[in-house]
Amino acid sequence: KNQVEQSPQSLIILEGKNCTLQCNYTVSPFSNLRWYKQDTGRGPVSLTIMTFSENTKSNGRYTATLDADTKQSSLHITASQLSDSASYICVVITGGYNKLIFGAGTRLAVHP
Amino acid sequence: ETGVTQSPTHLIKTRGQQVTLRCSSQSGHNTVSWYQQALGQGPQFIFQYYREEENGRGNFPPRFSGLQFPNYSSELNVNALELDDSALYLCASSLLREPTSAYGYTFGSGTRLTVV
Repeated sequence: KNQVEQSPQSLIILEGKNCTLQCNYTVSPFSNLRWYKQDTGRGPVSLTIMTFSENTKSNGRYTATLDADTKQSSLHITASQLSDSASYICVVITGGYNKLIFGAGTRLAVHP
Repeated sequence: ETGVTQSPTHLIKTRGQQVTLRCSSQSGHNTVSWYQQALGQGPQFIFQYYREEENGRGNFPPRFSGLQFPNYSSELNVNALELDDSALYLCASSLLREPTSAYGYTFGSGTRLTVV
């Protein structure tokens, strides 16, 4: 069964601190992996897109890693800001008609 | 990201009623997919349309149906609404066969449906 599991479920950090979110997946066939940021009640916004051959990709203060052998990905947020408070969702795109398999998300709260 | 518009933004319906949600795809995209997101959960795939035909479906009953129009906009119809249908409904447009495109899978802001 295609699954995407994220940890932790929720996280509270202080403004300015770094954090790392984890994503493990069992999806086949694998096309690519994406991290999305979702504010409450809003649609997800893409942060990074990684294909099988990419190990690291950055987007400003966000850096995603992918280990296709262990089927693990991480999202590292540097120097967190209050506006980083949101849910971060790991999505794996499977082949065929490019179906998206969503993780349940990590809810991040950044406190002053 | 911009380009995908959903309407209405909020909706309240009574159990047993029917509802139609609308999605306007990003220009140049030929595929639209719909997702149901319950509070505190990740989105669940409902179905996907490519060039006006359904080409993939998740584990949702037949009372969830859809349409895609020649301009690639789309509708999600839900009949015989149940209380558990209360959720955020997301639409995403994409250009099929280019999953790594920078413009792939753009999400709308969603429609919040409440069934009472």
